Amino acid sequence: QSVLTQTPSASGTPGQRVTISCSGSSSNIGSNAVNWYQNLPGTAPKLLIYSNNQRPSGVPDRFSGSKSGTSASLAISGLQSEDEADYYCAAWDDSLNGLVFGTGTKVTVL
Amino acid sequence: EVQLVQSGAEVKKPGESLKISCKGSGYSFTSYWIGWVRQMPGKGLEWMGIFFPGDSDIRYSPSFQGQVTISADKSISTAYLQWSSLKASDTAMYYCARTRIRGRGVDFDSWGQGTLVTVSS
Repeated sequence: QSVLTQTPSASGTPGQRVTISCSGSSSNIGSNAVNWYQNLPGTAPKLLIYSNNQRPSGVPDRFSGSKSGTSASLAISGLQSEDEADYYCAAWDDSLNGLVFGTGTKVTVL
Repeated sequence: EVQLVQSGAEVKKPGESLKISCKGSGYSFTSYWIGWVRQMPGKGLEWMGIFFPGDSDIRYSPSFQGQVTISADKSISTAYLQWSSLKASDTAMYYCARTRIRGRGVDFDSWGQGTLVTVSS
């Protein structure tokens, strides 16, 4: 059972902005950096955002991350059809002494 | 270019043992942790544990402690995930990933292609 809670689904039309939330607690998001992963169908997950708001080389600036208190968000602006995927947040949890993933959000491009 | 190449799909029977592998290249294998992540059919990502080839330090998720063994052979830049007695519930895709630990952040910046393990009688 994941300790990071995400809304199960989000959707938008091409060009729209979609925001995904990730809710945790003081032992994970409240204390540690949040990362986001994109899991396209049939492929391995890919690091999208690290250290709350940093993009790895090659990730379009349409993707942005933020954190406030015990919650984090991933925003996708200028939504494209290729953004249709599952998105997971993750953070280290000091109480569990381990990494925890969010429950995942399925993004659909209408 | 950082690459992690995993061994091929496996089909096993309950009770059998299994060891899958993950070969790293394009970086200093002993300088980064390697993590393992499980994804059961139609489900989300679950962290299993991490291993540091440099000194063999290891951390297991409480959910997987005692269920699997994580190891590595740094001479061939290869990490392993093994089971001594598989169960049907071990059926899943397993990913290895290079792990960065920086301050208060732990992330997986490069992933293997995944190894599908199917356990069925």
